Amino acid sequence: DIVMTQSPDSLAVSLGERATINCKSSQSVFYSSNNKNYLAWYQQKPGQPPKLLIYMASTRDSGVPDRFSGSGSGTNFTLTISSLQAEDVAVYYCQEYYYNSGTFGQGTKVEIK
Amino acid sequence: QGQLQESGPGLVKPSETLSLICTVSGGSIRSYYWNWIRQPPGKRPEWIGYGHYSGSTKYNPSLKSRVTISVDTSKNQFSLKLNSVTAADTAVYYCTRSTVDTAMVIGYWGQGTLVTVSS
Repeated sequence: DIVMTQSPDSLAVSLGERATINCKSSQSVFYSSNNKNYLAWYQQKPGQPPKLLIYMASTRDSGVPDRFSGSGSGTNFTLTISSLQAEDVAVYYCQEYYYNSGTFGQGTKVEIK
Repeated sequence: QGQLQESGPGLVKPSETLSLICTVSGGSIRSYYWNWIRQPPGKRPEWIGYGHYSGSTKYNPSLKSRVTISVDTSKNQFSLKLNSVTAADTAVYYCTRSTVDTAMVIGYWGQGTLVTVSS
């Protein structure tokens, strides 16, 4: 079974500073036939469903602010918030969709320092 | 964008079948893939599976033996049945819609409904 592991579990960042979240998959999610990584990132605020931020590891969904960016390939991925805003306080999840399980990471809680 | 609304019992007894319906409004159910995802309180989401109006389905291997997802184009609804439930199936269940081009990436989520398994 594929395992998605995020780090850290939580982080506190000052407003306007950079936040970096890592996601590691136990198996590669890189699809060589189209050169794409099957990895998505979601944001979940308290009491709300998750919201799609990024798919294919680095493509922002429509309407997502450009302070959110995704990078990485194979088994190691990063979500970066370049300048943290108050409304970015949330739990962030990565999800692989290469395999038939659609496995999510355990989540990273982002707070304001 | 449209809306998704889950409906069904909030309490199910152990060993019985959990049944939920999602009503799709503001768009055609013939587009997209329709996924169910659940999230136990305080835990990570878990992908359950998807259905498509063509009849195509795909399920999480960990749940495959107990899950059925179907799409009803006449009612613009899709449904989830999970049988032989236990307390471990207690979760918020979300009906969701895929993105345009990727079946298992969730582009839009319903608000979710809490289902508790208890006698």
